[in-house]
Amino acid sequence: DARVTQTPRHKVTEMGQEVTMRCQPILGHNTVFWYRQTMMQGLELLAYFRNRAPLDDSGMPKDRFSAEMPDATLATLKIQPSEPRDSAVYFCASGSGTGYDEQYFGPGTRLTVT
Amino acid sequence: DAKTTQPTSMDCAEGRAANLPCNHSTISGNEYVYWYRQIHSQGPQYIIHGLKNNETNEMASLIITEDRKSSTLILPHATLRDTAVYYCIVRASNFGNEKLTFGTGTRLTIIP
Repeated sequence: DARVTQTPRHKVTEMGQEVTMRCQPILGHNTVFWYRQTMMQGLELLAYFRNRAPLDDSGMPKDRFSAEMPDATLATLKIQPSEPRDSAVYFCASGSGTGYDEQYFGPGTRLTVT
Repeated sequence: DAKTTQPTSMDCAEGRAANLPCNHSTISGNEYVYWYRQIHSQGPQYIIHGLKNNETNEMASLIITEDRKSSTLILPHATLRDTAVYYCIVRASNFGNEKLTFGTGTRLTIIP
């Protein structure tokens, strides 16, 4: 049963620290998405990649967030420095990239910045 | 992408059919209707999608009106595990525009 995996599942850190979240997309999927969910804003797209190249990162605060795909099996989302307002659940999703296919979401990383 | 309107919440008795409506009056010709759901504390889960014909899979049925301005997701025999927030999303099916724009969804509660 192919699944998107995310690590860590929970992260508590202090303001100013660097946070790295990792995602392993489903093998063979060539599109990867990062979403963030908060009570106030709901689910919102931060960035997405096709074939490891960024296609849209307009939802991501550029000064502190960065997203990369070092290889086809790993996507990372980094926050440096972290702030309390970054507290949220971060979801990774992957898709087969046909343009209309469904996205498969991981279990999320719950981030708390104190 | 076209905006969607859904009721904030709905209840349904266990074992009955749950019918979740969605309005998308500004939908364009190349835009699909997608349904996802999010069970508490989990990642969103794909349910079904369609363009203009009715669709059915092992989870649900999707009924799209002829003018495509509204749709209904049907869970034929709701169980307690179907309690979740259901999102109706409209998006174009072209490369480079694959992001999902989530609204507030409908919170469906299945009553025992």
